[in-house]
Amino acid sequence: EAGVVQSPRYKIIEKKQPVAFWCNPISGHNTLYWYLQNLGQGPELLIRYENEEAVDDSQLPKDRFSAERLKGVDSTLKIQPAELGDSAVYLCASSLGAGTGTVVTDTQYFGPGTRLTVL
Amino acid sequence: AQTVTQSQPEMSVQEAETVTLSCTYDTSESDYYLFWYKQPPSRQMILVIRQEAYKQQNATENRFSVNFQKAAKSFSLKISDSQLGDAAMYFCAYRSAGDSWGKLQFGAGTQVVVTP
Repeated sequence: EAGVVQSPRYKIIEKKQPVAFWCNPISGHNTLYWYLQNLGQGPELLIRYENEEAVDDSQLPKDRFSAERLKGVDSTLKIQPAELGDSAVYLCASSLGAGTGTVVTDTQYFGPGTRLTVL
Repeated sequence: AQTVTQSQPEMSVQEAETVTLSCTYDTSESDYYLFWYKQPPSRQMILVIRQEAYKQQNATENRFSVNFQKAAKSFSLKISDSQLGDAAMYFCAYRSAGDSWGKLQFGAGTQVVVTP
């Protein structure tokens, strides 16, 4: 079974440029998460989707960040315009979904992340 | 809000030896879940072990085991018979049982270095 797929793995852009990250969750997983991981820190949740609905986007800086999950499968996270402080790793994770019964079935599986460098 | 603290930025262990990583958390909830994730240089977070707070028995997964002390709000990870492949960043994470959407709160991580 394929895991969570993310692309690109690395992205280098200049400040004020736009950038987009793509995530394909594990087949059948209803819940999708985007995390931000700064250097030397643990991941922090940006947004989570239940199918195509964003159920928690309270940590997403909405002035420059946007996300979508069309058809409840793949998801895209966008930054426009990028700032120097956005340099970080952006992780995507998926799980079967809330209400599936137990924390065992709702385990989050992570992708390899996209390392963004803003110059 | 819950906070997760990992006070050891780095731990070094020799192959075949045992290392223990500490994690403490702050919560007012009685029902929750705790996790240890491993992040190798490839950056892909891998679940190592999970613990349900309502279970008194400590979870074990092969060479990995936890010491869960609910009253002390402590959740340490023991890696026995350490192998070179265990070298990675280890993150402790908390999830409220009342949060049906599965939000994980992570600590800052502990880098494990395994020496031959």
